[in-house]
Parts: sequence; structure tokens; C-alpha cells
Amino acid sequence: QSALTQPASVSGSPGQSITISCTGTSSDVGGYNYVSWYQQHPGKAPKLMIYDVSNRPSGVSNRFSGSKSGNTASLTISGLQAEDEADYYCSSYTSSSTFWVFGGGTKLTVL
Amino acid sequence: QITLKESGPTLVKPTQTLTLTCTFSGFSLSTSGVGVGWIRQPPGKALEWLALIYWDDDKRYSPSLKSRLTITKDTSKNQVVLTMTNMDPVDTATYYCAHWVIGFYWFDPWGQGTLVTVSS
Repeated sequence: QSALTQPASVSGSPGQSITISCTGTSSDVGGYNYVSWYQQHPGKAPKLMIYDVSNRPSGVSNRFSGSKSGNTASLTISGLQAEDEADYYCSSYTSSSTFWVFGGGTKLTVL
Repeated sequence: QITLKESGPTLVKPTQTLTLTCTFSGFSLSTSGVGVGWIRQPPGKALEWLALIYWDDDKRYSPSLKSRLTITKDTSKNQVVLTMTNMDPVDTATYYCAHWVIGFYWFDPWGQGTLVTVSS
């Protein structure tokens, strides 16, 4: 069981928007603005898409955005494209000795 | 440009010790504030952070695996080595190394990963 809770799957049609949630506790998501999101295509390494809750690395499309409310962080992808179909993982720094915790991952299907 | 690449055995037997090497370029582990982490992913399952080594040779381990893990660095070779003892089939996973910078709470970029299967 992962430390952070994500929905197992979400889906949307091209052009639509979807949101993936990531729920933790006050020791991780709720306690720090250190939530990051990774995109992983099959057989590929995870790619950083969002860091520090809502910041995009250079080169990441502005269709990707992040936010946080309390112990839940969210990743929103607008204007869905076929290439967005992938697994998405959230991660957070934690005050526990684990240092980093990941979510269980969410499979995004573009219909 | 920062790149990392993992190498090591693809198959190990139960109870054996796994040794993985992360060879990187584009940064130096002698630079203050830099680190390299290891993360693994069992087939079809979630990511799990394993260990992190800092530029000053400080180390952090996942509490659940701490007794089995050792992380070391060879700055002259631009390599980080992870050893995991007493391997079990549940340790079958793709193992990734990734670049980390102090004060930044994410890993970027990651290596391509290496699949390790534990089976007799």
C-alpha cells in the first residue's frame, strides 16, 4: 500500500481536461509544498512534470498544472492529447524518516 | 546535459547480494548540494524510494530496507553503487537512479532503469 493515495485510473477525450488527485497526510502533502508529479510512458523512465506543487520544469507543456488543498494535491491536464496517455505518479517529501513517498500511480487513458 | 545509466545483473538468485552501478555525466558528486538517489518499481506497481547519497558522503536509506542497503560513491569515476543483500523474489523490480539537488525536493532526471529479476 502506497503512502500517497491516487485513483487507479482516469480517462478523458482529446481536448478535455482531467484532474488526478493525490492524498496524503499533514506529515507529507499537507505539511510541505514539496509535491512533485511524474509522467511515465510504458517501458520508460519517469519524467518530472511538476515540482513544488505547481511549478513546471522548462520544456513541460503549460497544459500541465498542479495545485494543493490541505492534504490533497492535484494534477490537471488540459487540452488532452493522445501523447498524454501514460501513468502519473505523485511524490512528496515527508517528515518521516522515509524522506520521500510516492503515490500508487494513476493510469490516464485518452479515449 | 545530465544523464544517468544503471547497470548490473538482470538475474540474481534468492539470498544473493545485488550490486547496481549508476554511471552519470553532466554533474559531479563533489559539487556541494548534489546527490544521487535510487528508486525501484516492481512490475506493474508503484515507485519506491530506496536510498540517497549526498555530495559530502552523507547517506539516507528507506527505513524498511535500511538493514539490507548500502550506497556508496566513486567521485573520480562518476559512479554511485547500490548494494542490496539477501535478495528475494519480491525484490524483482526495475531499479532507477536519479539526480537530486539539496533544497529541491524532486528527482530529475532519471536513468533509463534496469530490470532485476530474483529467481532461482
